[in-house]
Amino acid sequence: DAGVTQSPTHLIKTRGQQVTLRCSPKSGHDTVSWYQQALGQGPQFIFQYYEEEERQRGNFPDRFSGHQFPNYSSELNVNALLLGDSALYLCASSLKRATTQYFGPGTRLTVL
Amino acid sequence: AQSVTQLGSHVSVSEGALVLLRCNYSSSVPPYLFWYVQYPNQGLQLLLKYTSAATLVKGINGFEAEFKKSETSFHLTKPSAHMSDAAEYFCAVSDHLGGGADGLTFGKGTHLIIQP
Repeated sequence: DAGVTQSPTHLIKTRGQQVTLRCSPKSGHDTVSWYQQALGQGPQFIFQYYEEEERQRGNFPDRFSGHQFPNYSSELNVNALLLGDSALYLCASSLKRATTQYFGPGTRLTVL
Repeated sequence: AQSVTQLGSHVSVSEGALVLLRCNYSSSVPPYLFWYVQYPNQGLQLLLKYTSAATLVKGINGFEAEFKKSETSFHLTKPSAHMSDAAEYFCAVSDHLGGGADGLTFGKGTHLIIQP
């Protein structure tokens, strides 16, 4: 049973650039949520995608956007990167927004 | 709005001793509560969850947690610590099993150190 997978594992960008992170949900899941975990902090909710639409959003600026594909995989896009965007980005999947969320290993983004 | 407070950013116990990690929550509706563990350079693994079925919840790796509404607490315990338990532990709350309107709200985490 395939768990949640994320790519890439690590990424280094410079300020002002744009980045795309990818997530494939656990087999049988159709809902993807994204979280940002800054160093030494707990994860913070960015947004959730279900049926290819953004359903819920946390307190993050419009520079953070996403997409969900028909196969339920998802992308997180961040534009105009800031130093403060350096973090571990976690993807979690669930079924019909109604079951426990299972997390992937994360993508470590470093902005220089 | 919901919130989670984890008392103690670092907890150190001896191998074989009782592990107690504290979590207090704030929620205006009946909460769903979770404990996740994070090993270095890895994602989050679900230890256990409270969904109102039973106040004492048993999880993986010998961990359990007790929901106490009167104390708004959901403390995590394990009778006997093992070296492999050394990790970061996060308590989370939601108004919905699947994350709710604001997703999961996490505490800042407790780093568990096991002394040999």
